[in-house]
Amino acid sequence: QITLKESGPTLVKPTQTLTLTCSFSGFSLSTSGVGVGWIRQPPGKALEWLALIYWNNDKRYRPSLKNRLTIIKDTAKNQVVLTMTNMDPLDTATYYCAHGSTVHYAFDFWGPGTMVSVSS
Amino acid sequence: DIQLTQSPSTLSASVGDRVTITCRASETISSWLAWSQQKPGKPPKLLISDASTLESGVPSRFSGSGFGKEFTLTISSLQPDDFATYYCQQFDGYGWTFGQGTKVEIK
Repeated sequence: QITLKESGPTLVKPTQTLTLTCSFSGFSLSTSGVGVGWIRQPPGKALEWLALIYWNNDKRYRPSLKNRLTIIKDTAKNQVVLTMTNMDPLDTATYYCAHGSTVHYAFDFWGPGTMVSVSS
Repeated sequence: DIQLTQSPSTLSASVGDRVTITCRASETISSWLAWSQQKPGKPPKLLISDASTLESGVPSRFSGSGFGKEFTLTISSLQPDDFATYYCQQFDGYGWTFGQGTKVEIK
């Protein structure tokens, strides 16, 4: 059974760096074809893909946010960490991590999400 | 960047209705097109991948089709549990793009 769960601060100040952790079980990020991605959703708005890391450490970033994002994995701990620098109120959103694979290139298992507000 | 435009943005329908949602891409895309369902306060649930492959456990009233620039999600007979927001997403070989969503409301 695949499960994921996001953790991190619920409130950050403008210009600060956000660090989110995705802890997962039921699969390994050392398995060929597996990836873990981050997707966010501002209140009342659509989903927006941010980043993904593959089993082979291949990293993909949303081009418009590439300069602000870093994704890393800790295979032994079954965790993926996303950092986003220079946070702005417009980054207020629910942040999800999700399992993906090169089989279907779709996010098939999602964490419950964590709401992050950016405010001074 | 590839843009995905869903239509309609909102759809009012009754239980038992046949419902079709369209996802149009700004350019020709591969069949790595997926559909997800999201209910308020919950994460999305993957329904269909590869444009037409029904995920395990998803009711057969859901189906997907299309190629090139136009894809559709069809619900053959709308059920009370189906009132939700639906998103298409596509993989362009590097990253992912989501449509803006289609909210299916009770008529």
